[in-house]
Amino acid sequence: DAGVIQSPRHEVTEMGQEVTLRCKPISGHNSLFWYRQTMMRGLELLIYFNNNVPIDDSGMPEDRFSAKMPNASFSTLKIQPSEPRDSAVYFCASRFRGNYGYTFGSGTRLTVV
Amino acid sequence: AQTVTQSQPEMSVQEAETVTLSCTYDTSESDYYLFWYKQPPSRQMILVIRQEAYKQQNATENRFSVNFQKAAKSFSLKISDSQLGDAAMYFCAYRSLSREYGNKLVFGAGTILRVKS
Repeated sequence: DAGVIQSPRHEVTEMGQEVTLRCKPISGHNSLFWYRQTMMRGLELLIYFNNNVPIDDSGMPEDRFSAKMPNASFSTLKIQPSEPRDSAVYFCASRFRGNYGYTFGSGTRLTVV
Repeated sequence: AQTVTQSQPEMSVQEAETVTLSCTYDTSESDYYLFWYKQPPSRQMILVIRQEAYKQQNATENRFSVNFQKAAKSFSLKISDSQLGDAAMYFCAYRSLSREYGNKLVFGAGTILRVKS
């Protein structure tokens, strides 16, 4: 089991550019979560999917953020245009229905300059 | 909405000694899950221990144990025989079982644990 795989591990981009973060959940897991971690706000949920369907996107900060899950094995989080305040570590996590635990990926550290 | 509070931004412990990290939460629900996650400098989020609210018995995982006080809405983590590898940020997290709140985790702000040799 390779775990939850996120790419890239680090991303540095210029303000105004589009950024796409990628996540491959564990095979068989049917829930997928995107979290953002910053010093100021801690870990906050951005959006989560059940069976590839977005359930709660109330944490998405603004229209510049969008997330998709076209199939059970892939999800993306896109920021367009990016701003310096988007700099954070973005985590993806997945869970199998009926299980307690969530498995997190290693995160993507995004720096917008 | 549920909230999780970790009132200790930072804690220190001597190697081989015991330390307790505090966590309180606010909820009107009677059934839920509670978790402690460890985040070392590698930033990987690692599940340390979990507790089901309907269980009165405190969860234990090797050197890690919890003190779950449901009425007080308190969920502290005790680390015995602390090791250098325990140094990390520790997060307390709550998960509702209500369909209304979904199955998302709500995290506290975290406690940095330093282990002195």
